[in-house]
Parts: sequence; structure tokens; C-alpha cells
Amino acid sequence: DGGITQSPKYLFRKEGQNVTLSCEQNLNHDAMYWYRQDPGQGLRLIYYSQIVNDFQKGDIAEGYSVSREKKESFPLTVTSAQKNRTAFYLCASSTAPGQSEYFGPGTRLTVL
Amino acid sequence: GIQVEQSPPDLILQEGANSTLRCNFSDSVNNLQWFHQNPWGQLINLFYIPSGTKQNGRLSATTVATERYSLLYISSSQTTDSGVYFCAVYILTGGGNKLTFGTGTQLKVEL
Repeated sequence: DGGITQSPKYLFRKEGQNVTLSCEQNLNHDAMYWYRQDPGQGLRLIYYSQIVNDFQKGDIAEGYSVSREKKESFPLTVTSAQKNRTAFYLCASSTAPGQSEYFGPGTRLTVL
Repeated sequence: GIQVEQSPPDLILQEGANSTLRCNFSDSVNNLQWFHQNPWGQLINLFYIPSGTKQNGRLSATTVATERYSLLYISSSQTTDSGVYFCAVYILTGGGNKLTFGTGTQLKVEL
């Protein structure tokens, strides 16, 4: 099956810990994205990558980091997590920047 | 930055009813996409529609880029249509295309 997988579905961490969220796609897409969604809100862009070994900050990149060493993988790390990082995190990919984006099922992160 | 406004914010329908959701944006955009977020959080791609009209089953969408709005039509609504509908627009930044989301329309379809 082609698609985007995110793991785990639910994640709990204590304040101050680093945490890495996984995103893998087998769609052969060049571009990948990370979004954050807070309750009752739309999605906000954290980071995006147009091609392997390249990534750009989105609107709310502070406190997050990413890597894009492989085309199919775009992990997101929450650095020294604080309670205000508690949110629903969604990964997406597209064939190229500006083309239709497809989303994974998301990871719900709770920082205790 | 660009503003993306969706209306209405909330909508309750009886099964079988039709509805129109609206998305207004404040600046020129490269493209526009409609999504449905189901109650489990999954975002489902509905339409990629920079201009014109597209139809997919009971859903159709129209974008009038020159007037900076898009409409999503849902006909003969079903309970499975419940969820949040997002409009998102692409704008070209110095680093490339970026998708900006509206705040969504929460739809509940009742029996």
C-alpha cells in the first residue's frame, strides 16, 4: 500500500525530554512537511523539505528540528519539550512544492 | 501574511440536506486545496483546485481566483460527512510554496 505512516499514534513525554516523531512515505514524493494542530484550530507549518538534504523553517519552527537524509523519511524532533508543545502533529508529502499534499494519520503528543 | 477565512464556522445539517462552505483569501494564491478532517483526525484530500469547477461524487468545488474565494458544495449529506472542512491556499515565499490553512468549518450531519 502506498501512503504516509506516522508513529507512534500517541506519545507521552515529561518536560525537558527530547522526543522524535517519525514520518515515512512510500509515494516517491520529493517534498515533505510537518504541521502542528491545536484543539479547534487549523494547521500551522513547522518545517518543510522540498528535496533530500534540504529543509526550510515554517511559521512556528522554534523549539523543533528536522532532518531529511532520505527521500522517504522526515523525522521531527521536539527539543527539550515543554507543556506548550502538547498538540496533534501531522506529516504530509507532495510530488513537488505547491502540488497536492497528502497527510499521514498524525501523532498526538502530550508533554506532562 | 495572507488571511484565509472560512464560513460558516459551524454547521448542523439533517441527513439528505445540501450545503455550501465558503473560503475567502486576502491575496493572490498559486493554488488551493480542500480537505476533510474526520473525527479521528485524518486529513483527507478532497480537491486541488486553483480555478474552475471540479466534481467528485456528491462533492464539488469552485474557485474564482480573481475574486479570491472558493466554494465547496456538499449534496445529499450523510452522517459520514461529519467533521471539519479546511480550505488551504498555496503562496510562493522566498523558500518555496507554502500551504496556509483556514480555521475550518465544523460540520455535523444528524439523522
